[in-house]
Amino acid sequence: GAGVSQSPSNKVTEKGKDVELRCDPISGHTALYWYRQSLGQGLEFLIYFQGNSAPDKSGLPSDRFSAERTGGSVSTLTIQRTQQEDSAVYLCASSPSQSQPQHFGDGTRLSIL
Amino acid sequence: GENVEQHPSTLSVQEGDSAVIKCTYSDSASNYFPWYKQELGKRPQLIIDIRSNVGEKKDQRIAVTLNKTAKHFSLHITETQPEDSAVYFCAASAGGSNYKLTFGKGTLLTVNP
Repeated sequence: GAGVSQSPSNKVTEKGKDVELRCDPISGHTALYWYRQSLGQGLEFLIYFQGNSAPDKSGLPSDRFSAERTGGSVSTLTIQRTQQEDSAVYLCASSPSQSQPQHFGDGTRLSIL
Repeated sequence: GENVEQHPSTLSVQEGDSAVIKCTYSDSASNYFPWYKQELGKRPQLIIDIRSNVGEKKDQRIAVTLNKTAKHFSLHITETQPEDSAVYFCAASAGGSNYKLTFGKGTLLTVNP
């Protein structure tokens, strides 16, 4: 595809439910990143993938958050037992390699009721 | 860890005027400084970036300057147009890596016709 694709674009769920967010990076990009953007705030780093490995998970807020990447392409971010403070826009980005500019998707707007 | 401060939080200018947004960072090992433009409800888009071995970079009406000694960098937009209205984010790579971006909280730029 032409750019980073994320799905769903919007997700509304009840507190306590699990959610799964998907990211399709730009073809050929080996590096993939997840960020979280809360209302009126900057972007907060969550996790970085190089290929299928995650050398840096330091931004994941708690053990309710996990992410995986398969085939060096698609990544999923899973949030278990969602809480209201998880409400935010979750953005995915990819780059050809670690040292090159990051290109973002449109994000998934997650709302926890 | 890295901390990035961005000022001002809001900026209103008349069409044709210049706009300047300033950021400071804390980690002297940071070596990559991108700027993103985010229109309402859309993805952040990279507009310009600079690496620490360069003091200034220009692309048409947009320029970025970097002062490594003072640990600050600035975005300059000349001859502003209404379509420049958006939120602008600065970022810095943390700990000398190029992947872990720490973002400022953003500047809402409004260009009045």
